[in-house]
Amino acid sequence: DPKIIQKPKYLVAVTGSEKILICEQYLGHNAMYWYRQSAKKPLEFMFSYSYQKLMDNQTASSRFQPQSSKKNHLDLQITALKPDDSATYFCASSPGTGRTNERLFFGHGTKLSVL
Amino acid sequence: AQSVTQPDARVTVSEGASLQLRCKYSYSGTPYLFWYVQYPRQGLQLLLKYYSGDPVVQGVNGFEAEFSKSNSSFHLRKASVHWSDSAVYFCVLGGLRSNNRIFFGDGTQLVVKP
Repeated sequence: DPKIIQKPKYLVAVTGSEKILICEQYLGHNAMYWYRQSAKKPLEFMFSYSYQKLMDNQTASSRFQPQSSKKNHLDLQITALKPDDSATYFCASSPGTGRTNERLFFGHGTKLSVL
Repeated sequence: AQSVTQPDARVTVSEGASLQLRCKYSYSGTPYLFWYVQYPRQGLQLLLKYYSGDPVVQGVNGFEAEFSKSNSSFHLRKASVHWSDSAVYFCVLGGLRSNNRIFFGDGTQLVVKP
């Protein structure tokens, strides 16, 4: 029974379109994250949120916008999609405030393919 | 600068053999170190973590890792691997001086041959 739900599991998009990746966690955690995994970079940190506030952003492009409507939600909106955005996007959470000694819990990922 | 290096992109071992996956880190303070495993088409799961104390830490499924400050290493070991251990293993570094960021190694793909 997964405690971090990512939807959809697979997503195919057309270049230039916009998509939203959904993430909900039912672990009662305070911090949530987005990571990206592709053939070019095994695992790349994108964003971290703590109590619905942005803590860190290491994504250069403003085309990627996290959205947190509730403490246990952190969606990822991607606009003007490019083929280079093709990757598996992982949502994660941790129990505390996002400190570096916390264990991360990962969802199963959304595999995005941009044609 | 903080960094994690996993020098072996891929390791192949026979079932029942022992295993060591290497991890070297660069960090000026006291590190927090983790090993995560990623099975095919899944997210990462924690194997074990080290904060302080005994340099040998035990994890799940018979894995252990040894912290060495002098060598700046945190190698993962298992005495006898099983085919189900085939996965990608990530070494991860965190610490109080890292601006609240953690650093992932590039991962080592472990292939266990029957």
